[in-house]
Amino acid sequence: EAGVAQSPRYKIIEKRQSVAFWCNPISGHATLYWYQQILGQGPKLLIQFQNNGVVDDSQLPKDRFSAERLKGVDSTLKIQPAKLEDSAVYLCASRFTGELFFGEGSRLTVL
Amino acid sequence: AQKITQTQPGMFVQEKEAVTLDCTYDTSDPSYGLFWYKQPSSGEMIFLIYQGSYDQQNATEGRYSLNFQKARKSANLVISASQLGDSAMYFCAMKLPDSNYQLIWGAGTKLIIKP
Repeated sequence: EAGVAQSPRYKIIEKRQSVAFWCNPISGHATLYWYQQILGQGPKLLIQFQNNGVVDDSQLPKDRFSAERLKGVDSTLKIQPAKLEDSAVYLCASRFTGELFFGEGSRLTVL
Repeated sequence: AQKITQTQPGMFVQEKEAVTLDCTYDTSDPSYGLFWYKQPSSGEMIFLIYQGSYDQQNATEGRYSLNFQKARKSANLVISASQLGDSAMYFCAMKLPDSNYQLIWGAGTKLIIKP
């Protein structure tokens, strides 16, 4: 069974530029999460989808971050414009029942 | 307030020794779940073990076991016979009821296994 796929694995951008991350969850997993993990910290939830609907986006900085899951399968997370403090690993996870399954993450460096 | 605390930022352990990673939690809900995840340098979070608050026995999965002490609100991870491949970050997380299965995460413990 294929795991959670994320791309790109690494991205370096200048501040004020934009970036997009893609996630393809495990087939059949209705719930999809985007987390931000800053170095040395635990993951912080940005947004949670159930199929193509948003369950919780209370911690998503909506002035610069957006996310969509139009067909209830894969998802994109966009940052525009990026700030230095957005440097982090962006983890995508999916769930059917029980535990969350994570991708390898997308590491963003903002210069 | 619901919270997970991992007090050990880093640990060095000799290969083949057992290691205990500490996790304490704070919640007033009687129903909750506790997870341990491993994060190697590749970045992926790997599920290790789960303990429900009403589970009668401590969870075990291969070399991993969870020392669940409900009265003390602790859920320590025990790794028996440590291996070099166990070197990674380890995170404790808590799930609360009616939380849309969102997890509250600790800050993690960096475990390094010495040959």
